[in-house]
Amino acid sequence: QQQVKQSPQSLIVQKGGISIINCAYENTAFDYFPWYQQFPGKGPALLIAIRPDVSEKKEGRFTISFNKSAKQFSLHIMDSQPGDSATYFCAASRKLIFGTGTRLQVFP
Amino acid sequence: SQTIHQWPATLVQPVGSPLSLECTVEGTSNPNLYWYRQAAGRGLQLLFYSVGIGQISSEVPQNLSASRPQDRQFILSSKKLLLSDSGFYLCASQEGWGTEAFFGQGTRLTVV
Repeated sequence: QQQVKQSPQSLIVQKGGISIINCAYENTAFDYFPWYQQFPGKGPALLIAIRPDVSEKKEGRFTISFNKSAKQFSLHIMDSQPGDSATYFCAASRKLIFGTGTRLQVFP
Repeated sequence: SQTIHQWPATLVQPVGSPLSLECTVEGTSNPNLYWYRQAAGRGLQLLFYSVGIGQISSEVPQNLSASRPQDRQFILSSKKLLLSDSGFYLCASQEGWGTEAFFGQGTRLTVV
């Protein structure tokens, strides 16, 4: 089932730093690449998403960088805050196959 | 936006007992519906998805089954639970391929 590879598994960042999470996919037919954020005990919620016709999308402190030729995309969190501490999932494919998740911890 | 209702929030069941988890959706019609399982500290494993009433696709062979008796109702079932069925079960709804998915608050199932 694994069609999306996500790294790192966990990430520790100091407040104000940049958090970077990477994903790689296999199928060139995929056309929608979202990132979801999940807090403990809650369902995931959409954070930001990109389509392959653009190489970058920015929403506030969150940016997706997309490299179609390499079949990779990444999430950058600028000025990371303790409130960003959560698990992040990338996804691809039409039927929402998720990556394995990255647990982000931001320390003050 | 959509609202996903899942119940119960927590459930403790003995091994060998049956299971029925229900998910209902508000705010859309004819959505794609999904069931995921999440083990503690792990990723989201896609179990089933459905594109319409009575249409179920199974992603992982296992002890569970799913049904969609109505457009906005998705049910996850088991005839006999195993210890390995423990986990956090999430229902999700999506208006169409390549759109935002909305998740319920999940059911934490413990099989004892």
